[in-house]
Amino acid sequence: GENVEQHPSTLSVQEGDSAVIKCTYSDSASNYFPWYKQELGKGPQLIIDIRSNVGEKKDQRIAVTLNKTAKHFSLHITETQPEDSAVYFCAASPLRDDKIIFGKGTRLHILP
Amino acid sequence: NAGVTQTPKFRILKIGQSMTLQCTQDMNHNYMYWYRQDPGMGLKLIYYSVGAGITDKGEVPNGYNVSRSTTEDFPLRLELAAPSQTSVYFCASSTRLLTGGSILPDEQYFGPGTRLTVT
Repeated sequence: GENVEQHPSTLSVQEGDSAVIKCTYSDSASNYFPWYKQELGKGPQLIIDIRSNVGEKKDQRIAVTLNKTAKHFSLHITETQPEDSAVYFCAASPLRDDKIIFGKGTRLHILP
Repeated sequence: NAGVTQTPKFRILKIGQSMTLQCTQDMNHNYMYWYRQDPGMGLKLIYYSVGAGITDKGEVPNGYNVSRSTTEDFPLRLELAAPSQTSVYFCASSTRLLTGGSILPDEQYFGPGTRLTVT
């Protein structure tokens, strides 16, 4: 089955700098790659997703890149702000599977 | 739309007690999921359902049961609570996109969670 590895587990970034979180997946049939943000005491919430027919997607300060050949995808947050502090999860969904497989999460700290 | 709602928010159980965690969604989603999240850890899938009357095991189903009699509701049952079931439980729902003849996965909407302690 699909396996998703996520790095780093913790990331501290100075406010205003960029943050990058990386994930790899094992099932080459996966075709949907969402990223979720979880704030303290809340459920995860989708912030951006990418499908296998594109290599990059941007939404304001957030971007995701996908390299299907290498089976890895990354989340980029530019001009980080205090409200970006949270736990971020990547995930992958194999084709014709009804589940998505989550990575273990990255705790992002934005330092003042 | 209220989205995905879960009750209760918090619960303390004694070992061996049973309880049902409630989950309801008002988005007419066919797909529903139960996850548990242990402190500092990721999300582990317990059970999921692709429609009313259909359920399937996830990664960690032991000690739990589910039912799906309606599209809206997906309750999770703990029969004999154990300390290892102390966790935060999240319910989620999603739909599928029909695009160009393909059925594609889409965003999962999560509830606010139920914090369960078994002592």
